[in-house]
Amino acid sequence: ELKVEQNPLFLSMQEGKNYTIYCNYSTTSDRLYWYRQDPGKSLESLFVLLSNGAVKQEGRLMASLDTKARLSTLHITAAVHDLSATYFCAVVLNSGGSNYKLTFGKGTLLTVNP
Amino acid sequence: NAGVTQTPKFRVLKTGQSMTLLCAQDMNHEYMYWYRQDPGMGLRLIHYSVGEGTTAKGEVPDGYNVSRLKKQNFLLGLESAAPSQTSVYFCASRKLTGATNYGYTFGSGTRLTVV
Repeated sequence: ELKVEQNPLFLSMQEGKNYTIYCNYSTTSDRLYWYRQDPGKSLESLFVLLSNGAVKQEGRLMASLDTKARLSTLHITAAVHDLSATYFCAVVLNSGGSNYKLTFGKGTLLTVNP
Repeated sequence: NAGVTQTPKFRVLKTGQSMTLLCAQDMNHEYMYWYRQDPGMGLRLIHYSVGEGTTAKGEVPDGYNVSRLKKQNFLLGLESAAPSQTSVYFCASRKLTGATNYGYTFGSGTRLTVV
């Protein structure tokens, strides 16, 4: 059974600071997703990481994937209030098979304070 | 270009009542999924479908049934609602092959309260 663990689950940070959210998963998978969710809203896709060593950046967010360590990171640079949201990582089980089921972490609630 | 549409957006049920949540996608996607989201739990897979006429159980299927009679629609049914089914339900879809980013498209959610 695939388990996906995120930490921290709660993160309060000051504007202008840097921080990293970690996502560990328990079984082999080579496709990992990061999503953002604002309160009362649906999930917004941020990144899809498809291979070992993949790194993607969009604005103040950068995601990376280490499939050997079964670890992905979401790095926040010089945080701003608009980044306040819940961030989820999700991993595909049986990416080479026919199910393509996403398994989610519990999410990291990020609050950026002035 | 509607994407994934969920109806209704909100619903309040009494314990024991039944209802059906509808998910419709206009992208010709083969795969469709129903998730529930509870505070602090992330999203958990209820049921999924890999094509018209086929469904399978996910992580938390008890108390739910699904049907996929048409490729574009995936229905989630609650036969006898219980307070434990109070949640936000999300539908998602994905194309079998050829997607440039292997992306999943999520609906806007259905907020269900069972009293």
